[in-house]
Amino acid sequence: SAVISQKPSRDICQRGTSLTIQCQVDSQVTMMFWYRQQPGQSLTLIATANQGSEATYESGFVIDKFPISRPNLTFSTLTVSNMSPEDSSIYLCSVAQGLTDTQYFGPGTRLTVL
Amino acid sequence: ELKVEQNPLFLSMQEGKNYTIYCNYSTTSDRLYWYRQDPGKSLESLFVLLSNGAVKQEGRLMASLDTKARLSTLHITAAVHDLSATYFCAVDWVNYGQNFVFGPGTRLSVLP
Repeated sequence: SAVISQKPSRDICQRGTSLTIQCQVDSQVTMMFWYRQQPGQSLTLIATANQGSEATYESGFVIDKFPISRPNLTFSTLTVSNMSPEDSSIYLCSVAQGLTDTQYFGPGTRLTVL
Repeated sequence: ELKVEQNPLFLSMQEGKNYTIYCNYSTTSDRLYWYRQDPGKSLESLFVLLSNGAVKQEGRLMASLDTKARLSTLHITAAVHDLSATYFCAVDWVNYGQNFVFGPGTRLSVLP
């Protein structure tokens, strides 16, 4: 399975600021996914990022709030813009690999907004 | 809209006991995945079930899929403390590998 790293691993931010989260994969992948996991909750898909095209956002998530870049087949960034305390969550990136299309997850970025 | 439910949401069990976690989903799919998440950690893939009647086993865990009933089970045999974690099922629909919908998770605590 792919080895996925994320930066930063955690951060504490002030309300109204923005944070960019990086996701690096050790192999080329077509699609990368960004999820949010609020404390004690399940995972919710934010968007799917394909290289060379605009990200596809799920209902309830918009590009102005969560802009995504996908400059190549091994890297993606998610920005959380104009943050509020409600954005405090774990943000995870994942990739789908193999014949089974299993999604493999990065270690996550734990964000706290004060 | 696809809904994925898990039952129970919380499970406290004694070591050595057996128990089953259920995952129900609301629309047709023949791809279901089980993940484990330890506190403060990311998700680890456990099982991939790709067809009706599929059964996979790894150690004390066994997963099965009944696509007609839209039901998957994760059976725990002779539980040990190391199995304490949150277990998620995820259903893949619409486009293979692209649209995972996760269940709410089952938080398992195995007591000595």
